[in-house]
Amino acid sequence: AIRMTQSPSSFSASTGDRVTITCRASQGISSYLAWYQQKPGKAPKLLIYAASTLQSGVPSRFSGSGSGTDFTLTISCLQSEDFATYYCQQYYSYSYTFGQGTKLEIK
Amino acid sequence: QVQLVESGGGVVQPGGSLRLSCAASGFTFSSYGMHWVRQAPGKGLEWVAFIRYDGSNKYYADSVKGRFTISRDNSKNTLYLQMNSLRAEDTAVYYCAKVGRPTVGDDAFDIWGQGTMVTVSS
Repeated sequence: AIRMTQSPSSFSASTGDRVTITCRASQGISSYLAWYQQKPGKAPKLLIYAASTLQSGVPSRFSGSGSGTDFTLTISCLQSEDFATYYCQQYYSYSYTFGQGTKLEIK
Repeated sequence: QVQLVESGGGVVQPGGSLRLSCAASGFTFSSYGMHWVRQAPGKGLEWVAFIRYDGSNKYYADSVKGRFTISRDNSKNTLYLQMNSLRAEDTAVYYCAKVGRPTVGDDAFDIWGQGTMVTVSS
């Protein structure tokens, strides 16, 4: 199965900061990568698919890039509602693996 | 609006069985592949199973293969997960999720249900 590794696992930042989360696949997955945001007690929410396409309704401060094995999620100007856990996921193969998550906390 | 609502969770003893349901509304259910994803308490997301829009193909995580069965009834707009031989490590919130584009399997999960809790304990 394809393994997805996110870094960092947790991160402290302040409102207004620019933050970047990375995701690495154990083998090439082209652009078959999604990013999700999850808040405590809630279902995950799709932010980005196809590595860089913003899901409808998601603020433009979120962006994604990468292809092959290395990907990034960038939040250009953190808002209070962005403090959450973020997951990458590959859908290149029928194992649909998620990364272990990156918890973004308020500094 | 597009909605997925899970039900059927609860407390079950090790070795027991449980069937989860996911009722879909607001979209043409029969055109979309569907997934089950779980999340153990305090842990990350784990994909469990996928079924194609027409039920023709099914795929499972190694951790549940041979014990869980995904199915769907397109006439009832409902997805199911039959869980047998349950273990303590199956304890989790179980989410159903919809594939973003019709008739494909290789796409992100654009709509999720609210989840249903399954606890395996004696």
